[in-house]
Amino acid sequence: NAGVTQTPKFQVLKTGQSMTLQCAQDMNHEYMSWYRQDPGMGLRLIHYSVGAGITDQGEVPNGYNVSRSTTEDFPLRLLSAAPSQTSVYFCASSSTRTPIKGDTQYFGPGTRLTVL
Amino acid sequence: KQEVTQIPAALSVPEGENLVLNCSFTDSAIYNLQWFRQDPGKGLTSLLLIQSSQREQTSGRLNASLDKSSGRSTLYIAASQPGDSATYLCAPWSNNDMRFGAGTRLTVKP
Repeated sequence: NAGVTQTPKFQVLKTGQSMTLQCAQDMNHEYMSWYRQDPGMGLRLIHYSVGAGITDQGEVPNGYNVSRSTTEDFPLRLLSAAPSQTSVYFCASSSTRTPIKGDTQYFGPGTRLTVL
Repeated sequence: KQEVTQIPAALSVPEGENLVLNCSFTDSAIYNLQWFRQDPGKGLTSLLLIQSSQREQTSGRLNASLDKSSGRSTLYIAASQPGDSATYLCAPWSNNDMRFGAGTRLTVKP
């Protein structure tokens, strides 16, 4: 099992550019989510999905779009990048949305994004 | 809105010391609380999950306690090792949402 994979690992964008961060998991998990992590702050939920075709907003959704056409993939799109979106982005997956013992949430290694 | 605070932000100890990391949260109506470990440049790994009905949970040298009424959890690490060096984050689940603390960056010196 590869677990949760994210590409790219690093990305530099100019203000106004768009891009897609890729996330894939091979554990047949229904729940997938995107977080951003900024210095001195905890992870904040951007968007999540409880299954293919179902997505919802998290705490900080503005400026980001998601879709879930398959169980395995959950890409995050930045529509028009802004310097405030400079951050480290993590994708995660688990069997259920509510954490339960024995059902670990698996995190990808992260994408470090810089917007100039 | 749940606010999660972790103190201290950074901690450096010599190898072999027992240590305690603190987590406090403002909304005590939590369903459970997790402790995660994050190594530099990597994602998070779940260490322990405590249900709201539990007082503590143990895994090897790690022991997490939960005092829901006072909005506090602690992570106790026994006989610390250099390999324990990482950032430790706590994350209570409440109101159908999981909020993370900013973490405590732990350095264990040989």
